[in-house]
Amino acid sequence: ETGVTQSPTHLIKTRGQQVTLRCSSQSGHNTVSWYQQALGQGPQFIFQYYREEENGRGNFPPRFSGLQFPNYSSELNVNALELDDSALYLCASSPTATLYGYTFGSGTRLTVV
Amino acid sequence: AQRVTQPEKLLSVFKGAPVELKCNYSYSGSPELFWYVQYSRQRLQLLLRHISRESIKGFTADLNKGETSFHLKKPFAQEEDSAMYYCALSGRSGAGSYQLTFGKGTKLSVIP
Repeated sequence: ETGVTQSPTHLIKTRGQQVTLRCSSQSGHNTVSWYQQALGQGPQFIFQYYREEENGRGNFPPRFSGLQFPNYSSELNVNALELDDSALYLCASSPTATLYGYTFGSGTRLTVV
Repeated sequence: AQRVTQPEKLLSVFKGAPVELKCNYSYSGSPELFWYVQYSRQRLQLLLRHISRESIKGFTADLNKGETSFHLKKPFAQEEDSAMYYCALSGRSGAGSYQLTFGKGTKLSVIP
């Protein structure tokens, strides 16, 4: 299947817990990036992976971490969840660093209670 | 640091009227600029890239380096253009990698 797919679509966690979000990149895309989109805001860059290495990071604390696998799928892990982590988390993939733009997934809606 | 500013949170226009969604950016190097659109209940999707100088769905955007702007324009608005529009800049971060910085978005509402 082409396109970027994310799982799960919705998730409810308790403050202090840990969460893992998953993303399958579009076929042929070796770059994946993650974004946090709070209500009423534009997406904010968390980090980017290229060929399994993190090669860019936004202004997010270390409890936000990630992985990219040999098949270019990716995970976003958030430890010690806080209420402010409630947001839509978007994954996007690209065939290279960015000249062609990114293809976005539908996102995972995370609610921390 | 790179920054994207979309000054209008909401823009309402009548069908058939011209549309201009404003975007200003701040970046020290040569930016790559994009417009993304999000229709109701759909995922964010790329509308156009400045590098390709294309027109998609009647929309165009010209990069003005002097004014550091990348405004999105369409001569005649259609009801199906109603959506959330995000301007985004791709540039190198301190680590030497690219990152995509988004504006806060402008909600376009086309009145029939």
